[in-house]
Amino acid sequence: RKEVEQDPGPFNVPEGATVAFNCTYSNSASQSFFWYRQDCRKEPKLLMSVYSSGNEDGRFTAQLNRASQYISLLIRDSKLSDSATYLCVVNVPVIKAAGNKLTFGGGTRVLVKP
Amino acid sequence: EADIYQTPRYLVIGTGKKITLECSQTMGHDKMYWYQQDPGMELHLIHYSYGVNSTEKGDLSSESTVSRIRTEHFPLTLESARPSHTSQYLCASSEGMQGYYNEQFFGPGTRLTVL
Repeated sequence: RKEVEQDPGPFNVPEGATVAFNCTYSNSASQSFFWYRQDCRKEPKLLMSVYSSGNEDGRFTAQLNRASQYISLLIRDSKLSDSATYLCVVNVPVIKAAGNKLTFGGGTRVLVKP
Repeated sequence: EADIYQTPRYLVIGTGKKITLECSQTMGHDKMYWYQQDPGMELHLIHYSYGVNSTEKGDLSSESTVSRIRTEHFPLTLESARPSHTSQYLCASSEGMQGYYNEQFFGPGTRLTVL
């Protein structure tokens, strides 16, 4: 089983609609969570961190459910520019060197169409 | 914009050649990472470093090697390139302080094609 799993999509979304998708993680010791966005043939960029109480950034809302070990991302009023692959990223503490290591999901592709 | 750079951006090379992919960052980050990503596929961590003279292998086995002699520089070397090494290689860095919400900043990547 993969450590971080996502529905690869694509999610075809009409412009202006709302889309939501989840990501599950297997390691209960995971302590921090992120959504990154990756455009085609570009590098990933941080979209938002996901906090325990849930958080919102403009049209984007992220939720964390520790009991069921999943995080979600909701995009309201979708824009054409929201078309991208959204990567779920989970931080698993690495005891050695007191560091942290991010594990990336395979990504969920979102296509917003006019 | 993140201050992390990778060169070359694109490289086409023949089998058996030795190559070094350069990565440098000017943010003073202690932690640096190399990922490998095939088109449309997920990122795989192949190497990481917690600081100078620290290197660790990642989750995906790789024939490449890395070094970390200076904080800002984290080159990746393939001694003998093969077609199976064809992929995109992404370098990233993050702050060294202990904590959990440390963003990783990515370089633009190097697209490697081995003929």
